[in-house]
Amino acid sequence: AQKVTQAQTEISVVEKEDVTLDCVYETRDTTYYLFWYKQPPSGELVFLIRRNSFDEQNEISGRYSWNFQKSTSSFNFTITASQVVDSAVYFCALSEAGNYGQNFVFGPGTRLSVLP
Amino acid sequence: DSGVTQTPKHLITATGQRVTLRCSPRSGDLSVYWYQQSLDQGLQFLIQYYNGEERAKGNILERFSAQQFPDLHSELNLSSLELGDSALYFCASSERGGSSTDTQYFGPGTRLTVL
Repeated sequence: AQKVTQAQTEISVVEKEDVTLDCVYETRDTTYYLFWYKQPPSGELVFLIRRNSFDEQNEISGRYSWNFQKSTSSFNFTITASQVVDSAVYFCALSEAGNYGQNFVFGPGTRLSVLP
Repeated sequence: DSGVTQTPKHLITATGQRVTLRCSPRSGDLSVYWYQQSLDQGLQFLIQYYNGEERAKGNILERFSAQQFPDLHSELNLSSLELGDSALYFCASSERGGSSTDTQYFGPGTRLTVL
């Protein structure tokens, strides 16, 4: 069965520090998708990234970067030069691709607090 | 503003009742997804519709049902409500929703409280 683990329940950093949020997943499928979502204190869910299992290239988007390593089943998320607005709960998720859509499994989330 | 709308924003009801949550996807998006977020269960995928047809099912209870209408809006029906159904229900939409690199846009959520 598919599973997502986010071992860090809460992280606190001071503004401008770099922070990495860990995500480890389990799946038996060779084709799957990995996601990161952000949920700020206001409650809405913001989609950040989606990667498929065949694309192991790391991705950078502004201060955000993602490190996908199939060998360790990890899809870690790094925020560089963190800002107070980055304070949120971050969820990693996995879906196994099938002929008809996907079934999502979310990790428990990591609450990030960026202090001024 | 993601362009996905959900109504109502808040809903308070009693055990045993039935409620309907509504979601309007972004213009042009064919897929609608429903998620439940509760304190004890975390964030769970419930169901996905693509262009009117059910595409994928997650941890959706038999007491719950959903549909997507020809105009692509979707409704999530929750019946025989229990205290444990109290949660934040999110709807999301995406342009396609299969194996392509879709972006999911989330609505603001409907907070359901069952008393």
